[in-house]
Amino acid sequence: SQQGEEDPQALSIQEGENATMNCSYKTSINNLQWYRQNSGRGLVHLILIRSNEREKHSGRLRVTLDTSKKSSSLLITASRAADTASYFCATEGNRDDKIIFGKGTRLHILP
Amino acid sequence: DAGVIQSPRHEVTEMGQEVTLRCKPISGHNSLFWYRQTMMRGLELLIYFNNNVPIDDSGMPEDRFSAKMPNASFSTLKIQPSEPRDSAVYFCASSFTPLTGTSATLNTGELFFGEGSRLTVL
Repeated sequence: SQQGEEDPQALSIQEGENATMNCSYKTSINNLQWYRQNSGRGLVHLILIRSNEREKHSGRLRVTLDTSKKSSSLLITASRAADTASYFCATEGNRDDKIIFGKGTRLHILP
Repeated sequence: DAGVIQSPRHEVTEMGQEVTLRCKPISGHNSLFWYRQTMMRGLELLIYFNNNVPIDDSGMPEDRFSAKMPNASFSTLKIQPSEPRDSAVYFCASSFTPLTGTSATLNTGELFFGEGSRLTVL
């Protein structure tokens, strides 16, 4: 069963624009992670934010976490064609070691 | 390190046949996860191991599915007999869990995924 739900399901933007994807989850978490998946490939870890953190940066990525709203956002600034991929949030519950993924957001960067 | 290695990358089989998917995790990792990905259901966690011990198999669809981890460097996911609805991409992922052994242990590491095994059951 899914824990995280990404929004929107699909997003198309012009190269150079910023892309924002959101994730909502249901239960208490230890951390939330974002992954990227290129077509036909495995998932690649992008960034992890712990439940006691509110914001984290990594290069052009910015992740926020609001545990009171049980939501997170991933911002990709100055998008590039190579950012075209599916992006997934994944939550690790604070009662077990399970890492549960949402259904993802398909991001398409238009040249 | 070569990363997580899965085999086969592609498998086409007929309904009723046995399917065995294999995974070699990253050396030194002590947690291993099997996921199934379909368009309809997304990424589903099937089972995960910690220190070669199955911790939670509640995601295994039914008794036709079984998974083993005989040692720290190898795991299998078996489907017997296979059905067309089992068609999916099966991913193996590994990670390092700093603490082990108790229900309070939390996996604070990122998952490293293999390239997946695409299974088609006709």
